[in-house]
Amino acid sequence: AQSVTQPDIHITVSEGASLELRCNYSYGATPYLFWYVQSPGQGLQLLLKYFSGDTLVQGIKGFEAEFKRSQSSFNLRKPSVHWSDAAEYFCAVGVYNAGNMLTFGGGTRLMVKP
Amino acid sequence: DADVTQTPRNRITKTGKRIMLECSQTKGHDRMYWYRQDPGLGLRLIYYSFDVKDINKGEISDGYSVSRQAQAKFSLSLESAIPNQTALYFCATSRAGMTDTQYFGPGTRLTVL
Repeated sequence: AQSVTQPDIHITVSEGASLELRCNYSYGATPYLFWYVQSPGQGLQLLLKYFSGDTLVQGIKGFEAEFKRSQSSFNLRKPSVHWSDAAEYFCAVGVYNAGNMLTFGGGTRLMVKP
Repeated sequence: DADVTQTPRNRITKTGKRIMLECSQTKGHDRMYWYRQDPGLGLRLIYYSFDVKDINKGEISDGYSVSRQAQAKFSLSLESAIPNQTALYFCATSRAGMTDTQYFGPGTRLTVL
């Protein structure tokens, strides 16, 4: 069965600093991979997704992620964090044989220091 | 107006009560999903529906049931609520493609005392 691990439960960065959130997946075939963001009191919003092609994917709000098959990773990055980026971030893998059902990681909560 | 709405947004209930959470969407999508979110566990799939006549159990369906009243409406019921069903519940919708984005509602926070 597929699984997603986000090793960091909490991360704190200073405003203006760079950010990398880690995501490792386990899946027997080429995965479809997603990053979602959940702002306080809100639902989840898609940041970006990967399903083929260029392994560096650009998303909204200045985020990008890189798919590395050899490391089973799909880490999310942003060169300069803004205070409004404080939120919880979820990585997910799409399951091939059952439509586009998603398996989510446990999430990483990002705090931004002024 | 929001594309995916959930009612109620917050609910406190007692053990043994029947609860229904409702989801409506205006995106015209065929597929709808119910997830629950628990701290540290991310979101886990409860039920999903590919169309009005196609409803399937997800990872954690025990204790829950669903009804797809129309393309736009998908309800989740807890027949006899228990405290470990206290969680944040999300509805989502999508088109049918493998890479299509799931769009989430704002969530319902349910507390079972």
